[in-house]
Amino acid sequence: GNSVTQMEGPVTLSEEAFLTINCTYTATGYPSLFWYVQYPGEGLQLLLKATKADDKGSNKGFEATYRKETTSFHLEKGSVQVSDSAVYFCALSGLPITYKLSFGAGTTVTVRA
Amino acid sequence: DGGITQSPKYLFRKEGQNVTLSCEQNLNHDAMYWYRQDPGQGLRLIYYSQIVNDFQKGDIAEGYSVSREKKESFPLTVTSAQKNPTAFYLCASTAGGPNEQFFGPGTRLTVL
Repeated sequence: GNSVTQMEGPVTLSEEAFLTINCTYTATGYPSLFWYVQYPGEGLQLLLKATKADDKGSNKGFEATYRKETTSFHLEKGSVQVSDSAVYFCALSGLPITYKLSFGAGTTVTVRA
Repeated sequence: DGGITQSPKYLFRKEGQNVTLSCEQNLNHDAMYWYRQDPGQGLRLIYYSQIVNDFQKGDIAEGYSVSREKKESFPLTVTSAQKNPTAFYLCASTAGGPNEQFFGPGTRLTVL
């Protein structure tokens, strides 16, 4: 079945540091890939997505590239801010049920001033 | 503004009681979902519904029930058969296919 493996946290960084959160997946065919962000006490918000190989999703300074050859979708940001402190989830949707999301366990990121 | 609302935000229940969590969307989405989130874990799918009057069990449906009588509403009942109901519950919807899901703000259920 489909599955997502995320880098374990928690991750603690200083402001303006570089952030990478690794995400690899197992899926049939060509899934769509997503990064969601969850701020404390809130629901999930879509951060970015990619629907085919070599696509790059980007939003709010975050980027992730769909790498079919390495089955990866790593999240990166060049200079984090305190407001980026949150839990980040990698997810995919694909065959056999394209409307069902499979989530990674989430990575907690804390950015210190 | 279009979106998903969940109520209440916090809910307390005594052991042995059933409780119903509300989820409403005005996005005109066909598909709706219920997830459970436990500390330090990802989201686990409880139930989902692709169309009105139809729903399917997810990965952890035992002890839960749902209904889908209206397109915009997908309430979740946590029954007394659910052995560990204390968790954060998230409702989501999507237009269908491999599109992103939109999430509500969640309901935190605590069993006393």
